[in-house]
Amino acid sequence: ETGVTQTPRHLVMGMTNKKSLKCEQHLGHNAMYWYKQSAKKPLELMFVYNFKEQTENNSVPSRFSPECPNSSHLFLHLHTLQPEDSALYLCASSHGGAGGNTIYFGEGSWLTVV
Amino acid sequence: DQQVKQNSPSLSVQEGRISILNCDYTNSMFDYFLWYKKYPAEGPTFLISISSIKDKNEDGRFTVFLNKSAKHLSLHIVPSQPGDSAVYFCAASEGTPDSWGKLQFGAGTQVVVTP
Repeated sequence: ETGVTQTPRHLVMGMTNKKSLKCEQHLGHNAMYWYKQSAKKPLELMFVYNFKEQTENNSVPSRFSPECPNSSHLFLHLHTLQPEDSALYLCASSHGGAGGNTIYFGEGSWLTVV
Repeated sequence: DQQVKQNSPSLSVQEGRISILNCDYTNSMFDYFLWYKKYPAEGPTFLISISSIKDKNEDGRFTVFLNKSAKHLSLHIVPSQPGDSAVYFCAASEGTPDSWGKLQFGAGTQVVVTP
């Protein structure tokens, strides 16, 4: 069982829908991340949270809205997405601070926008 | 502008032989490097890492080599096994504390290990 759990694993949504992706880490880490992998592109960092505070927003459109209520949970709220937003969304966590360079990924949520 | 490049999209190797995966980077501020392995429909799994103060790190069948002057690293898998068939990603980050965890990834190399 992975230490980082993502739900749902698959999501199909219309462009006018509102949905959320959920991530939970059981590793005692303090930093959590959202990465995105689009077809034929490298993984791209979207957001970073350290100790529940957002420390990085990598120029992500506002139709993606992250939420980190505590160090173990991370959400990605989705609203009025476009078909080109269809991708694999990966949550990850790390220790944060010194030694926080190795991040551990969840299984990913496959999103299809129709 | 891609700062981490894996120029070989695929690699086929016979079981028992050595797999060598290559990665080049352009950012001289990178000082921590990682390799991840990814099976279809799963998230990337951390394999091995190396910091810039070393030129080699070994973990079982996996060895990573770093050549800082050439801005090049490689992953050696010896011996290759069928279960090693997967996509391998090279990743790097800078050394400043606010860069920890912010990884730049290569596009990946698909490895196929044949019997």
